[in-house]
Amino acid sequence: GAVVSQHPSRVICKSGTSVKIECRSLDFQATTMFWYRQFPKQSLMLMATSNEGSKATYEQGVEKDKFLINHASLTLSTLTVTSAHPEDSSFYICSARDGRTGNTGELFFGEGSRLTVL
Amino acid sequence: ELKVEQNPLFLSMQEGKNYTIYCNYSTTSDRLYWYRQDPGKSLESLFVLLSNGAVKQEGRLMASLDTKARLSTLHITAAVHDLSATYFCAVGQTLARGGADGLTFGKGTHLIIQP
Repeated sequence: GAVVSQHPSRVICKSGTSVKIECRSLDFQATTMFWYRQFPKQSLMLMATSNEGSKATYEQGVEKDKFLINHASLTLSTLTVTSAHPEDSSFYICSARDGRTGNTGELFFGEGSRLTVL
Repeated sequence: ELKVEQNPLFLSMQEGKNYTIYCNYSTTSDRLYWYRQDPGKSLESLFVLLSNGAVKQEGRLMASLDTKARLSTLHITAAVHDLSATYFCAVGQTLARGGADGLTFGKGTHLIIQP
């Protein structure tokens, strides 16, 4: 399957600081990437759809000014958690589709980034 | 709004036994996916089901899709300890509509297989 890579895998920060998470498609180009959040022992919740060269589309209830998404190239999307607070602590996972595999709609997931805000 | 329900949410079983995980969804869709997640890890794709009646098998796992009943099943045959993980089903918008959306996930089934 296609390879999606995230960095960092773990980050600990102080409350009030900002944290940037990178998501890269390593062997394919992704015009669209998706950012999910997963709290412990819960399911994945779609936060936003990242669109290359245009603004991200956020799901209802997700603050766009707090979770800044930039998709500057066909292989890179970034999620910046601004002014992080302890309640933002979570596992953030990005995903993308590989158009070379046909229109199956299958998503390939990055390794995830565990954010802990102190 | 698309809703995806899995059951059971927690399953403890012995090695060698068979069991089935169910995934129901609320609106029309012709694409359903099963993923596996190990503790602290990301998701691994298991099956892609894209048509009514689709059945796929990999090792001790078999998945099926009934789009009329809006139901998918993940069947485990002669379970082994290595299959212990959390299993998620995910449903997406009908491919005919472009299928460019993110997937909606069920709550996951936490499976523990005991020796």
